[in-house]
Amino acid sequence: EDQVTQSPEALRLQEGESSSLNCSYTVSGLRGLFWYRQDPGKGPEFLFTLYSAGEEKEKERLKATLTKKESFLHITAPKPEDSATYLCAVQAGNSGYSTLTFGKGTMLLVSP
Amino acid sequence: NAGVTQTPKFQVLKTGQSMTLQCAQDMNHNSMYWYRQDPGMGLRLIYYSASEGTTDKGEVPNGYNVSRLNKREFSLRLESAAPSQTSVYFCASSERLLAKETQYFGPGTRLLVL
Repeated sequence: EDQVTQSPEALRLQEGESSSLNCSYTVSGLRGLFWYRQDPGKGPEFLFTLYSAGEEKEKERLKATLTKKESFLHITAPKPEDSATYLCAVQAGNSGYSTLTFGKGTMLLVSP
Repeated sequence: NAGVTQTPKFQVLKTGQSMTLQCAQDMNHNSMYWYRQDPGMGLRLIYYSASEGTTDKGEVPNGYNVSRLNKREFSLRLESAAPSQTSVYFCASSERLLAKETQYFGPGTRLLVL
């Protein structure tokens, strides 16, 4: 059974204080690892997809990295508008159609 | 493009009532999904449709039925609502290109069952 664990559950940062969110996974045959951002009362918004260990992707203050066991979402010099819940999901399976398994998310609060 | 749209945005039902949640996408995607999101549980897949004309059960299908009406529309029906179905429901769609695909989500339907 595919498993995705995100940590910490919640994180409070001061504006400008860089940190990282963790997503560890156990799957048989990773096809892709996805990061989403979710604002209160809204649907998840796609951020990144990573497909293989060593891959990195960046968008503004966010940088996602991937190893064979986990992914990190690095937030550099965060601003209050980065406050949101960040969701990690994996797509796995060696063949055929496969769906996503989501973690429970990390709630990030950035204070001015 | 509107992306993925869902109706209604909010609904209150009494136990035993039925209702249908509507979802439509204008991205010409083949695959569509229904999830529910509960506090502390994360997003859980209810049903999905890999392509028009097919539907399959996800992790938590009990108490729900779905219909892939056409390529654009995928509806979720609660035949006899129960308080345990109080949740936020999200629809998503995706397209597989060269073995890569990304799911795009709608704004959600908030359902309260009394």
